[in-house]
Amino acid sequence: EADIYQTPRYLVIGTGKKITLECSQTMGHDKMYWYQQDPGMELHLIHYSYGVNSTEKGDLSSESTVSRIRTEHFPLTLESARPSHTSQYLCASRRGDTEAFFGQGTRLTVV
Amino acid sequence: RKEVEQDPGPFNVPEGATVAFNCTYSNSASQSFFWYRQDCRKEPKLLMSVYSSGNEDGRFTAQLNRASQYISLLIRDSKLSDSATYLCVVNDRGSTLGRLYFGRGTQLTVWP
Repeated sequence: EADIYQTPRYLVIGTGKKITLECSQTMGHDKMYWYQQDPGMELHLIHYSYGVNSTEKGDLSSESTVSRIRTEHFPLTLESARPSHTSQYLCASRRGDTEAFFGQGTRLTVV
Repeated sequence: RKEVEQDPGPFNVPEGATVAFNCTYSNSASQSFFWYRQDCRKEPKLLMSVYSSGNEDGRFTAQLNRASQYISLLIRDSKLSDSATYLCVVNDRGSTLGRLYFGRGTQLTVWP
């Protein structure tokens, strides 16, 4: 089993609220990723990090921010949640060019 | 053009059938290749890495053709439990510093 954890697993929140999705891994992986995925649809990269204090925007990054202050922690923040943010958010990590491991995801519903 | 293209599917096959999935990638600098499996409403999980010489893991065989920029996955003797979406994944070691590119996925349903 991969040691990568996401919290919360499920979140229902009102429009306009600020939310932070947590992702932590205990494997010492240098690279971490955030993806958004709607049911039955493809994964979309939001942000990724290739090391501490280094982050890059993905394809859907305009409405969220990330930070990588510690190797094991890569939180994703939505400053103002909207119904269009309703989706599943998946965090992943990997070492170098090896395979990536995914967390179990956070299912976000914005009402 | 997308970085990774997969057979759209869906594939519906009987138990015991052999099924093959194909995937092409656009960046010749790509270095690492993987097949992932994703069950409905679950996270993707690694099925197997794909090596230049091809590799086999039980009923699963992966092949890589760098000249044609083509990856395949063969599943023999399909089981009901193989029903899932199969994702082709390519790693670009170039300017995007280790970004992973996922295909849209190919849905497989194995029926009794």
